[in-house]
Amino acid sequence: EPEVTQTPSHQVTQMGQEVILRCVPISNHLYFYWYRQILGQKVEFLVSFYNNEISEKSEIFDDQFSVERPDGSNFTLKIRSTKLEDSAMYFCASSEWSYNSPLHFGNGTRLTVT
Amino acid sequence: KNEVEQSPQNLTAQEGEFITINCSYSVGISALHWLQQHPGGGIVSLFMLSSGKKKHGRLIATINIQEKHSSLHITASHPRDSAVYICAAPMYSGGGADGLTFGKGTHLIIQP
Repeated sequence: EPEVTQTPSHQVTQMGQEVILRCVPISNHLYFYWYRQILGQKVEFLVSFYNNEISEKSEIFDDQFSVERPDGSNFTLKIRSTKLEDSAMYFCASSEWSYNSPLHFGNGTRLTVT
Repeated sequence: KNEVEQSPQNLTAQEGEFITINCSYSVGISALHWLQQHPGGGIVSLFMLSSGKKKHGRLIATINIQEKHSSLHITASHPRDSAVYICAAPMYSGGGADGLTFGKGTHLIIQP
């Protein structure tokens, strides 16, 4: 069964550094999402992406964050200058249609900012 | 913006028991998601439903759109059902690629 893949599974970085989290959504899916989960807290929406542009973003998704689909398969989340509070599990998800179709999640990237 | 509430937050039961997890939301929606998060962190979609009831194996999900309420039931629970169960709804009632707003999850432990 097709799946969403995320790399790396764990990333450790120093405060102020830039990180890029990578995702390969399911190939025939049109909608892509990034979510994050701070340890012990609920999953939070960051951004949705459709037709090569951001469709919706939350208040968390400030100027430090950006997303890109650099080619036909990858979907990336960049954090420009990491802060301690960016430490979280970041999940990529994709769906065939919009929220009215099932979401398929990757296994997540655990980001640790020191 | 939608607010999603789940209950209970924690549930411990014996193997074989019938389990019910409840979810309520504040804004009318077209579909609600039930998800399972494993101890390792991975998230799996269990159901997406917009009306009535859906069944998959021992899992049953129901939704009442008028009352803005959904339930997830597990029949003949088993220790391998131990996980966090999460309800999620579109952040807004509009269309498009809206993200989901998640409940805090119900941490279920099934003891042998």
